[in-house]
Amino acid sequence: GAVVSQHPSRVICKSGTSVKIECRSLDFQATTMFWYRQFPKQSLMLMATSNEGSKATYEQGVEKDKFLINHASLTLSTLTVTSAHPEDSSFYICSQWVVAGSNEQFFGPGTRLTVL
Amino acid sequence: KQEVTQIPAALSVPEGENLVLNCSFTDSAIYNLQWFRQDPGKGLTSLLLIQSSQREQTSGRLNASLDKSSGRSTLYIAASQPGDSATYLCASTWAGGTSYGKLTFGQGTILTVHP
Repeated sequence: GAVVSQHPSRVICKSGTSVKIECRSLDFQATTMFWYRQFPKQSLMLMATSNEGSKATYEQGVEKDKFLINHASLTLSTLTVTSAHPEDSSFYICSQWVVAGSNEQFFGPGTRLTVL
Repeated sequence: KQEVTQIPAALSVPEGENLVLNCSFTDSAIYNLQWFRQDPGKGLTSLLLIQSSQREQTSGRLNASLDKSSGRSTLYIAASQPGDSATYLCASTWAGGTSYGKLTFGQGTILTVHP
């Protein structure tokens, strides 16, 4: 399957700072990537759909001005958590959607964000 | 609203036992269904993908079935091992409109296989 990487794997920051998370597709060109958030002991919730060369599509209840998504190339999507607060502490995971063939999704290893 | 539900929430079995994890979905017009494994603090590993036109998929000791008419999928694990201990998630996508490609996840089943 497709290989997806995320960087950083873990980040601790102070309240009010911004944090950028990168999601890279290592072996496949991804026109569409998805960003999910997972709180402790909960399942994954879709935050937004990242489309290469166009604006991201956000799910209801997700603030687009707080969670900035940029999909500047076919292999890189970034999520920036602006002015992070402790309630933003979570596990953020991206996925690459292989539209051709299987329509399968492959996930990155995730980024653990802790806001103090 | 398209929803995915998994039961049980947690399952503990002795090594060697065969087991079944259940997943149900509210809208039978699914595009496909995926089963994932998640180890603590880690990302997701795709186990099996079933297209809407398929009834089952097999990989090693794993077998996943899909019954669209009843809105159910099962993941069968044969001869369970301690290394199978993890959280198992099922997720579906639905075709058409704004739902295309988006995965909706169940709450997961935490599996513990003890020696």
